[in-house]
Amino acid sequence: DTAVSQTPKYLVTQMGNDKSIKCEQNLGHDTMYWYKQDSKKFLKIMFSYNNKELIINETVPNRFSPKSPDKAHLNLHINSLELGDSAVYFCASSQGTIEAFFGQGTRLTVV
Amino acid sequence: DAKTTQPPSMDCAEGRAANLPCNHSTISGNEYVYWYRQIHSQGPQYIIHGLKNNETNEMASLIITEDRKSSTLILPHATLRDTAVYYCIVSTKNFNKFYFGSGTKLNVKP
Repeated sequence: DTAVSQTPKYLVTQMGNDKSIKCEQNLGHDTMYWYKQDSKKFLKIMFSYNNKELIINETVPNRFSPKSPDKAHLNLHINSLELGDSAVYFCASSQGTIEAFFGQGTRLTVV
Repeated sequence: DAKTTQPPSMDCAEGRAANLPCNHSTISGNEYVYWYRQIHSQGPQYIIHGLKNNETNEMASLIITEDRKSSTLILPHATLRDTAVYYCIVSTKNFNKFYFGSGTKLNVKP
């Protein structure tokens, strides 16, 4: 069983479109995260959700919005996609503080 | 931003120990040292973490200097599957500022 799963794995879309990436974790963790890895391979945290409360909101454009329907899901919605949004997006979850489990990533390409 | 400094790349012969250094001279008293790795383009994988004592698990050992300003991750018997980018991260336990730096690309060679 996959602990943290993301869909889709690949996403190619045109500029200006709106898209969503889904994330689900079956670990019972209380905190979920979204990270962005750019072309230079730097991983940067975008959001984290703890018990449906946003506790980190790094300086990302407001075109990006996390939505958590329940504790096991944290979806990422992106409006008006731009070329610079092309990257690999990773979802992760943790319970407390020891170890974060990451999904396999979603490679987003905006053309 | 990342509070750690790591060499950009290292080579290691298969079967030998891989020693990956990390400098974190500005670490605070309540911050831990975490190590993660990223194999190819997969999601990062937790390896080990510690506060001030040396730690060992089934994957690796973590040696933290007494002044806590640096640490070394040790893979005792590196295999080709250990080829990855290794990230040293300094953070409190709340992951509030969990920043990945540029990491060390470990190349394990036959």
